[in-house]
Amino acid sequence: EIVLTQSPGTLSLSPGERAILSCRASQSVRSNYLAWYQQKPGQAPRLLIYGASIRATGIPDRFSGSGSGTHFTLTISRLEPEDFAVFYCQQYGYTPPFSFGQGTKLEIK
Amino acid sequence: EVQLVESGGALVQPGGSLRLSCAASGFTFSSYEINWIRQAPGKGLEWVSYISSSGSAAYYGDSVKGRFTISRDNAKSSLYLQMNSLRVEDTAVYYCARAQITSGLVAHWGRGTLVTVSS
Repeated sequence: EIVLTQSPGTLSLSPGERAILSCRASQSVRSNYLAWYQQKPGQAPRLLIYGASIRATGIPDRFSGSGSGTHFTLTISRLEPEDFAVFYCQQYGYTPPFSFGQGTKLEIK
Repeated sequence: EVQLVESGGALVQPGGSLRLSCAASGFTFSSYEINWIRQAPGKGLEWVSYISSSGSAAYYGDSVKGRFTISRDNAKSSLYLQMNSLRVEDTAVYYCARAQITSGLVAHWGRGTLVTVSS
């Protein structure tokens, strides 16, 4: 099973700043089957990015994903107040298990 | 509009059983693979189980293997999770999650149902 490690655990930034979140895999993620989700308190997660860099439907272009192999990054170019939440990376594909990282909490500084 | 509505969550004693349901609407249920994903209070996401669109294939996470059974009724557009031998560590919100593009990519989530295992 692929283990995903996210860093940092908590990121404190101000609106307008750029956020960079990291996700490292214990082994290479096949076909870049790496997704990012955003979760706000009391809500279900929302898909942001899949295929490491493809924005999901309706996701603003300030969200971007990059990386391949074992290192992936989610970048939020200019933070809006509504962006503060917990973010999870996930490796997916066609064969379970589909593991998640432990999450990065993005909080307002 | 895609809708997934979970139900069946409750307070149950350790060693007990519970059956969760997920009612789907707004799409052709029989065409989609579905996952159960859970989240313990204040913790991260954990993939629990997967079922193929026809129901012929199912997979489980190591923590629930041998205790949980996933099933579906395509005629009723419904998904189920039978949970036996429940443990305190099974306490979580359980989400029904529809796959898209590949088996494990989740584009649509339900709102979840809370299972509490406690004496």
